[in-house]
Amino acid sequence: QSVLTQAPSVSGAPGQRVTISCTGSSSNIGAGYDVHWYQHLPGTAPKLLIYGNNNRPSGVPDRFSGSKSGTSASLAITGLQAEDEADYYCQSHDRSLSASVFGGGTKLTVL
Amino acid sequence: EVQLVESGGGLVQPGGSLRLSCAASGFTFSSNWMSWVRQAPGKGLEWVANIKQDGSEKYYVDSVKGRFTISRDNAKNSLYLQMSSLRAEDTAVYYCARNIGYCSGGRCYALFDYWGQGTLATVSS
Repeated sequence: QSVLTQAPSVSGAPGQRVTISCTGSSSNIGAGYDVHWYQHLPGTAPKLLIYGNNNRPSGVPDRFSGSKSGTSASLAITGLQAEDEADYYCQSHDRSLSASVFGGGTKLTVL
Repeated sequence: EVQLVESGGGLVQPGGSLRLSCAASGFTFSSNWMSWVRQAPGKGLEWVANIKQDGSEKYYVDSVKGRFTISRDNAKNSLYLQMSSLRAEDTAVYYCARNIGYCSGGRCYALFDYWGQGTLATVSS
């Protein structure tokens, strides 16, 4: 059971917009810790997608955006492309555990 | 180009040991915290351990404390994870990750900006 909760799967057609949510608690996201997002294609190295809730590293398309409110965060992907099909993970810090914590991951399927 | 290449995974019996290695290149290895993150089959990512630039501070997830040891050799640009008293639940792909220590609101915590492709450790009889 992951500390941060994500829906197991989400899907969308090419060109559509999808959102992936990440729900935490008062000891992590709700405590003011920022959220980072990673994209992972099985068998490859995970890739940093969004850091500090809504910042994109160099090279990440602006189709990807993040937000945070209260004890939750969201990743939005607009203009879905086939290459976006991957697993997406949120990550933050938990002050009670004194540890980095991840969500269980959301598998995005592009229909 | 930052590269992290893990090795050392394999099949080991419960109670056994395994040593994972991560060869780093493309950046000044001694300038970064480094981490191990794992993914059990069908599960999500789980942070395992962190080590400071000079090796003076090390942190572990509770489930591996006393069994795993993270270390580094800055002269060899290498990160290690010595795993002992292995259990079936330690079966996972283990990723080496560069940690750039993200700071916000007066607090600093982990942000993993580069990852390796992982090495599979299987604990089974």
